[in-house]
Amino acid sequence: EIQLVESGGGLVQPGGSLRLSCVGSGFTFSSNTMNWVRQAPGKGLEWVSFISSSGSTMYYADSVKGRFTISRDNAKNSLYLQMNSLRAEDTAIYYCARTKGLDYWGQGTLVTVSS
Amino acid sequence: AIQMTQSPSSLSASVGDRVTITCRASQGIGNDLGWFQQKPGKAPKLLIYAASTLQSGVPSRFSGSGSGTGFTLTISSLQPEDFATYYCLQDYTYPYTFGQGTKLEIK
Repeated sequence: EIQLVESGGGLVQPGGSLRLSCVGSGFTFSSNTMNWVRQAPGKGLEWVSFISSSGSTMYYADSVKGRFTISRDNAKNSLYLQMNSLRAEDTAIYYCARTKGLDYWGQGTLVTVSS
Repeated sequence: AIQMTQSPSSLSASVGDRVTITCRASQGIGNDLGWFQQKPGKAPKLLIYAASTLQSGVPSRFSGSGSGTGFTLTISSLQPEDFATYYCLQDYTYPYTFGQGTKLEIK
């Protein structure tokens, strides 16, 4: 069974940092591209970032470019999102999702940016 | 970035009804279009990819069509468990973009 499990969310002050993790199981993690998608409370879905299977290529939404960094450790079947200079508008549930078509998603982890 | 315009934003229907949701892309995306279902408090679930291919395990009452800039999701006979919010996604190019969502409610 394919599973993705996110962790690392929490309450952080504006300007602070947080690192999210996503662990994959039930599939060959190193062969799959991965994405982060977020959803602000009561709002729609917003794609955040992509990383290739090898980790050599990354893309970011304009709204997070220069502040967020996506990375992966294939030996640990893990995906990461380092979030710096956090703003109130970054408050959302963050999901990791597999492959080009976002075919499997984790349950999400809530990030709240507030003083 | 490619804009995805989804309509309607909300829809009231009854069990057994046939419903259609539309998504329009601001430029051609071939058939790189997915449809997702999201229930409250849950992660989105992929229903259809490549515009018309049913994801494994998804009931056959769901179908998708279209290519280029115009796409539709059809539910042939609504079941109680289908009341949810639906999103389209273009995965033709980054940045990926979602439609605004369609909330399907019970009439």
